[in-house]
Amino acid sequence: ELKVEQNPLFLSMQEGKNYTIYCNYSTTSDRLYWYRQDPGKSLESLFVLLSNGAVKQEGRLMASLDTKARLSTLHITAAVHDLSATYFCAVDVRDQLIWGAGTKLIIKP
Amino acid sequence: EPEVTQTPSHQVTQMGQEVILRCVPISNHLYFYWYRQILGQKVEFLVSFYNNEISEKSEIFDDQFSVERPDGSNFTLKIRSTKLEDSAMYFCASRYRGRVTGELFFGEGSRLTVL
Repeated sequence: ELKVEQNPLFLSMQEGKNYTIYCNYSTTSDRLYWYRQDPGKSLESLFVLLSNGAVKQEGRLMASLDTKARLSTLHITAAVHDLSATYFCAVDVRDQLIWGAGTKLIIKP
Repeated sequence: EPEVTQTPSHQVTQMGQEVILRCVPISNHLYFYWYRQILGQKVEFLVSFYNNEISEKSEIFDDQFSVERPDGSNFTLKIRSTKLEDSAMYFCASRYRGRVTGELFFGEGSRLTVL
């Protein structure tokens, strides 16, 4: 069975702090995605990681992919309240995305 | 910026009724998808569609579900006889090509409530 595991599932942190969300997956894939979801809203694409060693950065978020370890990370630098949301990783297998359970991130002022 | 649009945004139906959810993918995209998300849970793949036929489907996508591209713009998901457990947010998505290009664009979702 294909599994995508995120941790932590819930994260409450103070503004200005750094933290990392981890995404482990159980199958071979060289394509991994990170999405953001605000409550009741759609899925906003953050990063598309298409190869081993890929690293992408956008503002305070940076994502990386290690296909050999089957691990992706989403690093948050100097968090701000606007980053509060649920973050999902998803692995692309045979043209379908297999999703992690999501990490609910709350950033307190 | 081009976007995926979905209608209705919210539909309430009685158990056993048929429901059609509609999607207009981005105009030059060739690959279309339906995903669903039960409230508070993870997103689940339902079906992918290319060249007027289903290319992949999940175990969730049983005989009660069907998809259609009736014209050059719409992509629909039909649930023939809704069950309580079909209550979820249904997301349509599209991309220009398959896995090669990567990014998948999602619509705003259609919330289905089955009573």
